[in-house]
Amino acid sequence: EAGVAQSPRYKIIEKRQSVAFWCNPISGHATLYWYQQILGQGPKLLIQFQNNGVVDDSQLPKDRFSAERLKGVDSTLKIQPAKLEDSAVYLCASSLALNEQFFGPGTRLTVL
Amino acid sequence: GEDVEQSLFLSVREGDSSVINCTYTDSSSTYLYWYKQEPGAGLQLLTYIFSNMDMKQDQRLTVLLNKKDKHLSLRIADTQTGDSAIYFCAEINTGTASKLTFGTGTRLQVTL
Repeated sequence: EAGVAQSPRYKIIEKRQSVAFWCNPISGHATLYWYQQILGQGPKLLIQFQNNGVVDDSQLPKDRFSAERLKGVDSTLKIQPAKLEDSAVYLCASSLALNEQFFGPGTRLTVL
Repeated sequence: GEDVEQSLFLSVREGDSSVINCTYTDSSSTYLYWYKQEPGAGLQLLTYIFSNMDMKQDQRLTVLLNKKDKHLSLRIADTQTGDSAIYFCAEINTGTASKLTFGTGTRLQVTL
């Protein structure tokens, strides 16, 4: 069974630029999550989708972050414009059941 | 809100047992998890325990849950150098938030 795929693996941008991350969940997993992991901290949930609907986006900075999951499969997370404090690893996860989330390798973003 | 705490660092010798501890505040937690993160990689689910259990054993891993004290521990028997990683405790309350809340992670260093 293929795992959660993410791209790119690394991205370096300057502040005020835009960036987008892509996630392909495990086939058949209805729930998809985006987490932000700042260095030295645990992951923090940004947004949760159930199929193509948003379940929880309470911690998503909506003035600069947006996410979509068209057709209930792949998802993209966008930051526009980026700030220095957005430097982090962005992790995508998917699940079939609420009690078991599978994580992708993450995208490491550096904002200069 | 939910809060999950862990000690930052643990060093053990190869062959010894490791015990990683975690405390949480949400008394309504449904599931509690242990994830492993190796450098540059995503999170790997090691094991989880349902809140009505006291103990779960899976090969070298033993999870102990003390609901009264809101304390969770992960014991790794016969620790190997390949066990060196960051270990995250996490909890979820599937009845309400359905959001996975992570601790800050414990870095396990295994020495020869």
